[in-house]
Amino acid sequence: GAGVSQSPSNKVTEKGKDVELRCDPISGHTALYWYRQSLGQGLEFLIYFQGNSAPDKSGLPSDRFSAERTGGSVSTLTIQRTQQEDSAVYLCASSLVTYEQYFGPGTRLTVT
Amino acid sequence: GQQVMQIPQYQHVQEGEDFTTYCNSSTTLSNIQWYKQRPGGHPVFLIQLVKSGEVKKQKRLTFQFGEAKKNSSLHITATQTTDVGTYFCAGIAGSARQLTFGSGTQLTVLP
Repeated sequence: GAGVSQSPSNKVTEKGKDVELRCDPISGHTALYWYRQSLGQGLEFLIYFQGNSAPDKSGLPSDRFSAERTGGSVSTLTIQRTQQEDSAVYLCASSLVTYEQYFGPGTRLTVT
Repeated sequence: GQQVMQIPQYQHVQEGEDFTTYCNSSTTLSNIQWYKQRPGGHPVFLIQLVKSGEVKKQKRLTFQFGEAKKNSSLHITATQTTDVGTYFCAGIAGSARQLTFGSGTQLTVLP
């Protein structure tokens, strides 16, 4: 079956522009996570969606970051007024509650 | 907040040598998961441990969960070049709703 997919795979944008990153989770997975990974670094938690519950936004680094999950499936992570320090790989993962997370291939964001 | 520390950050071994990475949490964990990320790839789930003192094996990999459920280890026997990558532990503490990932151990295996 299909795994987690993310688009685009690569995104180059100019500083100050807005970007949208998309995640299609595995069908039936109620939990969806966004992480950020800088080169050679660990996973930085950004936001977590679980079913119809209010999302856990505790990891969002600033109010320029937001995310939504429509219909309990597809999620979009939006970064407004991008800065160079936003350059990283953005990973999405989905899971059944407390079970293993299945990661997508990530979106590599470069802010010039 | 919950913190999950991993050591070492980097490890270089000769092929055939053993390797161990350690994970320590500042709080008691309800479970611990391990992931492997190959260079240029994304994290892939390896295993989940739930019980205090639990030990699980996958071929050359041995995973342990401490008695106090605050630490864990991954041991690889007789490393191979295919073991190259970064190994992450991740745990859920108490009433937390999501995993906290350790900083990872980057393993290099020299042929």
